[in-house]
Amino acid sequence: EVQLVQSGAEVKKPGESLKISCKGSGYSFTSYWIGWVRQMPGKGLEWMGIIYPGDSDTRYSPSFQGQVTISADKSISTAYLQWSSLKASDTAMYYCARHVTVVTPFGWFDPWGQGTLVTVSS
Amino acid sequence: EIVMTQSPATLSVSPGERATLSCRASQSVSSNLAWYQQKPGQAPRLLIYGASTRATGIPARFSGSGSGTEFTLTISSLQSEDFAVYYCQQYNNWPIFTFGPGTKVDIK
Repeated sequence: EVQLVQSGAEVKKPGESLKISCKGSGYSFTSYWIGWVRQMPGKGLEWMGIIYPGDSDTRYSPSFQGQVTISADKSISTAYLQWSSLKASDTAMYYCARHVTVVTPFGWFDPWGQGTLVTVSS
Repeated sequence: EIVMTQSPATLSVSPGERATLSCRASQSVSSNLAWYQQKPGQAPRLLIYGASTRATGIPARFSGSGSGTEFTLTISSLQSEDFAVYYCQQYNNWPIFTFGPGTKVDIK
């Protein structure tokens, strides 16, 4: 079974750093891009960025470029999303998801991790 | 940037009735469109990709249609477990993916 398992909920203060994780299993982790998606409380889905664990090629949404860093450690089949200085506005649920393609680079996201809730409050 | 819009924002439907959800792209995305279902407290789940192909394990009452800029998700006979928020997403503009704002399907 293809699975993405994310790290647990975090409560942080503004200005603190944070790195959350997404561990893949049941498939070749280095052969599929992994994307990250933000969902602020009561709001919709926002695509943040995507990484290819095979060579760590990373692309960001313009809205999130410079705000977060996406990385991966292929030796342990894990992708990461990190912040160097959190703000209250970073409070949200964060999902990772596997990018699936057939022949072309155009692909959808399946499956999704269970989500990591990040709360930033003083 | 491709902007996705969805209508209506909320759809009130009785169990057993048909639900029709719309998604529009600001420019053509060909058939590179997916639909996801999200229930409260859960992660999104893929329903449809390629505008009309059901994902593995998705019941036949879910169907997708459209191409270019206009897309539709139809749920032929709503079951209690189908009350959720539905998002469309374009993936034609690699590597920029955009979601629609969602349509909430609730019980009438």
